[in-house]
Amino acid sequence: SQTIHQWPATLVQPVGSPLSLECTVEGTSNPNLYWYRQAAGRGLQLLFYSVGIGQISSEVPQNLSASRPQDRQFILSSKKLLLSDSGFYLCAWRGTSILTEAFFGQGTRLTVV
Amino acid sequence: AQSVTQPDIHITVSEGASLELRCNYSYGATPYLFWYVQSPGQGLQLLLKYFSGDTLVQGIKGFEAEFKRSQSSFNLRKPSVHWSDAAEYFCAVGYGSSNTGKLIFGQGTTLQVKP
Repeated sequence: SQTIHQWPATLVQPVGSPLSLECTVEGTSNPNLYWYRQAAGRGLQLLFYSVGIGQISSEVPQNLSASRPQDRQFILSSKKLLLSDSGFYLCAWRGTSILTEAFFGQGTRLTVV
Repeated sequence: AQSVTQPDIHITVSEGASLELRCNYSYGATPYLFWYVQSPGQGLQLLLKYFSGDTLVQGIKGFEAEFKRSQSSFNLRKPSVHWSDAAEYFCAVGYGSSNTGKLIFGQGTTLQVKP
């Protein structure tokens, strides 16, 4: 069966420090991968999605970037964190058919101080 | 542009009462629709989905949803709410072809259940 791993679960980082959040999927190949951010009262905002290795689409201009170095690995990064980067980050995967739902990781709570 | 709207940010119902959470979407073609539930500090769990066919779909935990094309809506319902249903609920719409697979969420509705 397919599983998705996301780590770390919680993270406290100072302003200006770098960020790296990792997400890996098991049990499937060539998934569509997504990074969402959930800020209080703002629902889930799609940040990036990827349909293949090295293929990244950015949905909103921001201080973050994403990379997909391997088929089932999706990384969210920043060179210098801002206070506004605080939030709950969720990774998700979905099959290549549009007739499938997305499966979510457990999320990372990022607090920038 | 494609969008998903959940008009109710917060809803409070009494345990045992019926529930309806609203969802409206904006999309030119037939959408693929989902409802997810999120417990505090957790990821999202799929409740139900609609792709085609019968417009009334059944999901887990006693939830159902009805797709109404004329109203661009996909409202979630439950006949009798349990205290364990308190959570945040998200409506989502899938867009694009199989090789893009964008999935857009509404702002979410927080459900509080009174004893």
